[in-house]
Amino acid sequence: EIVMTQTPLSSPVTLGQPASISCRSSQSLLHSDGNTYLSWLQQRPGQPPRLLIYKMSNRFSGVPDRFSGSGAGTDFTLKISRVEAEDVGVYYCMQATQYPYTFGQGTKLEIK
Amino acid sequence: EVQLVESGGGLIQPGGSLRLSCAASGFSVDDYAMHWVRQAPGKGLEWVSGISWNSGSIDYADSVKGRFTISRDNAKNSLYLQMNSLRAGDTALYYCAREDHFDAALDIWGHGTMVTVSS
Repeated sequence: EIVMTQTPLSSPVTLGQPASISCRSSQSLLHSDGNTYLSWLQQRPGQPPRLLIYKMSNRFSGVPDRFSGSGAGTDFTLKISRVEAEDVGVYYCMQATQYPYTFGQGTKLEIK
Repeated sequence: EVQLVESGGGLIQPGGSLRLSCAASGFSVDDYAMHWVRQAPGKGLEWVSGISWNSGSIDYADSVKGRFTISRDNAKNSLYLQMNSLRAGDTALYYCAREDHFDAALDIWGHGTMVTVSS
């Protein structure tokens, strides 16, 4: 099983300032087909998860361009260029390169 | 509108069984891989089980293997999770989610159905 480790677990951020969340996998997420199946999801309070980023760096439909994903191999980053109030919630990385799919522990983004 | 609606949750005693359902609308489940993901109260997301578009590939988390069975009924456009030998640790909100074929991302989620295992 691939273990996903996120840091930090909590991130207090000032509105309008950037935020960054890291995710590390216990083994490479590079699939034999050449893709890296790492996604990022946002879960606002009381809501189901919502897909933000897929295949490491592709924004899902309707996701604001202040969200971006990057990385390679075993190290990945989600960046929010300027945090807005609606960004409060918990962010998860998830790997789908091999079964069982696994999630990071989640990073709680809150406003200072 | 593309959506998933889960049902079948409830309060069940340890050792009991429940069958969760997930009704899809706006798309055909037989065109997609589908998954169950759960979230214990106040905790993070845990992948439970997945089934490929043609049911040729099925897998389970170790924590539920041998107790849970995922299935689909394309005629009813629905996904199911049969849960047997339930334990207190299975208490969670159970979500179903659609996987996009090409991107292996869970792009559509339901709102979940709550399962509480308690005597």
